[in-house]
Formats: sequence, structure tokens, C-alpha cells
Amino acid sequence: QQQVKQSPQSLIVQKGGISIINCAYENTAFDYFPWYQQFPGKGPALLIAIRPDVSEKKEGRFTISFNKSAKQFSLHIMDSQPGDSATYFCAASGGGATNKLIFGTGTLLAVQP
Amino acid sequence: GAGVSQSPSNKVTEKGKDVELRCDPISGHTALYWYRQSLGQGLEFLIYFQGNSAPDKSGLPSDRFSAERTGGSVSTLTIQRTQQEDSAVYLCASTAGHQNTEAFFGQGTRLTVV
Repeated sequence: QQQVKQSPQSLIVQKGGISIINCAYENTAFDYFPWYQQFPGKGPALLIAIRPDVSEKKEGRFTISFNKSAKQFSLHIMDSQPGDSATYFCAASGGGATNKLIFGTGTLLAVQP
Repeated sequence: GAGVSQSPSNKVTEKGKDVELRCDPISGHTALYWYRQSLGQGLEFLIYFQGNSAPDKSGLPSDRFSAERTGGSVSTLTIQRTQQEDSAVYLCASTAGHQNTEAFFGQGTRLTVV
């Protein structure tokens, strides 16, 4: 029940295309859903986050879509650029005594020029 | 400091030796996490400290792993009798509190057990 399932494991997108990464969770007590971006040799960094009181959040080319009833959320990267090539992790937290972040398994995105 | 600082950045050790990895969180952050990331893999939760509460040790893979956080600030992850399967990048993160705030990660310590 504490898991966050992420797909796909890897993704190749052409420059200018839309990258879509999906995550699903079981614990209905989760109330915070961030996405992290990690470049090789670096620690993950927060990209965008959403709380379940909204269905969508957009920041520049990055959008989170959230479906509370389906317990799913996704990251959309519009007009994908080679510089977006990185590993993306979804995560969830909330509702537990420790509120620790539970991460998905990651998606390696490659944007081809 | 400006961010989460981890040391050393790289550590090569012989199988069977003990190692200590250090994490300096952002000043004032009350929560601290340790994660392990094997090559090309996801983030494996190890341990979580929140203020003065008992740490959540549920992710530690064996009793060879331990961590402490002194004075609510610096944390040390200790691996005793290292094994080759312990080779990974160990990441530390801190947050300002437990109410679902942004986690700031360090650059990690790359541990290689030979």
C-alpha cells in the first residue's frame, strides 16, 4: 500500500514532442505528489508538485495531471527538448506518522534532436 | 550552508571494512532522509529522521547499516563489514518540516566496495 508505481521505465521522444510519464498509488492518505528530475551525477531536484485538491498544475512546459478517483497522476512535458533528457521520479507522501516521501522507480527520458 | 552537503563524494573501500558517510543538511531543516541508488535504479529509502522523534529505520537492508543524527543536524550513515552489493550512490535529503515540503538532495556519495 506504500508503493508508488511508475511507468514507463524508459522513454524516447523526438524534440518538440510530448513526454508523458505515469504514476499510480494505493494509499488514499497521500496528499502531496511531487516530481523530481535527476541529471547524471547529481541528486534529484524538485520539478513540480501537486496536492489532491486540484486536478492539474502547470509550470512552463511541465504539467501534472491528477486523477484522485483513479489514484493516478502523470507528468507531461510539452515541446520536449534535448536538455530535458534526465531521469524523472514521481513521489508521494502524507498521512503517515513520518510523512516520508515514497518514490517511484524512475523513468529515463531521452529527447532526440 | 547553501544546500545539502555530503562527504566524501567518492569512497572506495575493501570488502569487510566499515565506512561512514556524512550528511550536512540545510540549516534549520528538521527532517533528514537517506536513500540508496544503485546504478541506473530508483531511490531506495533507508532511514528518516524527523526532529526529536524516533527515526524510521524501516528501509535499512540489514543490521550492518545504521545511522545517527547528532543535535538534530549532521547525520552519519555507517555501513559495517561492507559487501560488494553495498556499492551504490548514497543520497541524503533534508526538508524544512514534515508537512510535505520540498526535499533538497545532496550530490551523493558514490561507494565502491572492491
